[in-house]
This record gives sequence, C-alpha cells and structure tokens, in this order.
Amino acid sequence: EPEVTQTPSHQVTQMGQEVILRCVPISNHLYFYWYRQILGQKVEFLVSFYNNEISEKSEIFDDQFSVERPDGSNFTLKIRSTKLEDSAMYFCASRDGTVSNQPQHFGDGTRLSIL
Amino acid sequence: GDSVTQMEGPVTLSEEAFLTINCTYTATGYPSLFWYVQYPGEGLQLLLKATKADDKGSNKGFEATYRKETTSFHLEKGSVQVSDSAVYFCALTPDILTGGGNKLTFGTGTQLKVEL
Repeated sequence: EPEVTQTPSHQVTQMGQEVILRCVPISNHLYFYWYRQILGQKVEFLVSFYNNEISEKSEIFDDQFSVERPDGSNFTLKIRSTKLEDSAMYFCASRDGTVSNQPQHFGDGTRLSIL
Repeated sequence: GDSVTQMEGPVTLSEEAFLTINCTYTATGYPSLFWYVQYPGEGLQLLLKATKADDKGSNKGFEATYRKETTSFHLEKGSVQVSDSAVYFCALTPDILTGGGNKLTFGTGTQLKVEL
C-alpha cells in the first residue's frame, strides 16, 4: 500500500538555526498538510497546500514557517530561526481529493529537537 | 471553532475485555469523523471513518457510529488484544457545505494498555 514518507526521523538543531523537514506524499494525492504534536499535547494543524499554494493555515503558522513543493514529489516545511518551543513531532499528510471525504494519510513523523 | 473531546487515559484492560473510548465533538453541520491510531514509535494510521449521520465505521474489530443527536463517535471493540495497545485519536474535518476547509481537528488522544 502506498504511504507517506518523512525524512529525517529525528532532527536535532541549535536554537536560531533553520531546519527543513521533508515529506514525500502519496504520488496521486492532491492535498498536502503539516501537523505538529508537542510532547504530551494534542496534534495541531499547521497548514494545508493545494495546487501549489497554501489553502489554509493556522495561527501557529506565522512568518517563521514556510512550505514548498519544489518538484513533483517532495513537500517541505521550513522553519526559520528555530525556538525551543518548536520542539515537537511534525507530521506530514496527504489526501487524494478527487473524491470527497477521503481521509488524510500520515507519515511516521519527524521528531524535531531544538537545543 | 470546531473541537473534539475524548475521555482521559490511560485506559488499562485485560485481554479479551470490552473497550469503549468516548468521543464527542462540536462542529457546525455534518463533519466527517475519524479514529486514528498511533502505535509506539509510529505515525498516525487511519482506523475507521464515518461521513454522515448514523454511518458506522468499522475496521479490525473496532466500530464507531456517527451519532448526530448526541454529537458523539465512540470507539468500541468487543475483545481487545495486547497488540491493540496504542494511542487512539478521535478527529473531524468540517462539513464541506460550511466551507470550513479540510483540516483535521484532533482530540487529545487516549492511551490504551492491554495486559495479559
């Protein structure tokens, strides 16, 4: 069964540095998402992406964050000038979108640790 | 805004016991409802879904019925196994007729531990 893949599985970065989290969505999917889960808290929506532009974003997704689909397969989340509170598990998801109410499929996540 | 409320965990059961994890939601119209499961060290996997009132989602012995009148989507399994130990998340996406996008809103998750 096709799956969403995320790299790296664990990223350790110094505070203030930039980090790029990478995702390869399922190949025929049209909608892409990033979520994060701070340790012990609920999974929170960050951003959704469709047709090469952001379709929705949360209050968390401020100017520090950006997303990009640089080619036909990758979907990246860039965090500039990282802060301690950015430490979390980041999940990428994708959805078919050609049929309504199709579920989102998630990757295994990238654990981001800011030191 | 939309919200999902789940029962607090951890829930500890003996193998073959009956499982119920309560989930209620607040949303306009008829959202789509989902249960996701997260096994240790893994990502979120879709367990089951229901997209309209009175629908029953089912998978791997788990079931949940979309109850509009009580705004609930409780997860049940008749006989749990040790391998069911995981964190279970209830979630929703907005009713497409409300124009609310398609982001998932999650509950806090309920950890299930099944012992022999």
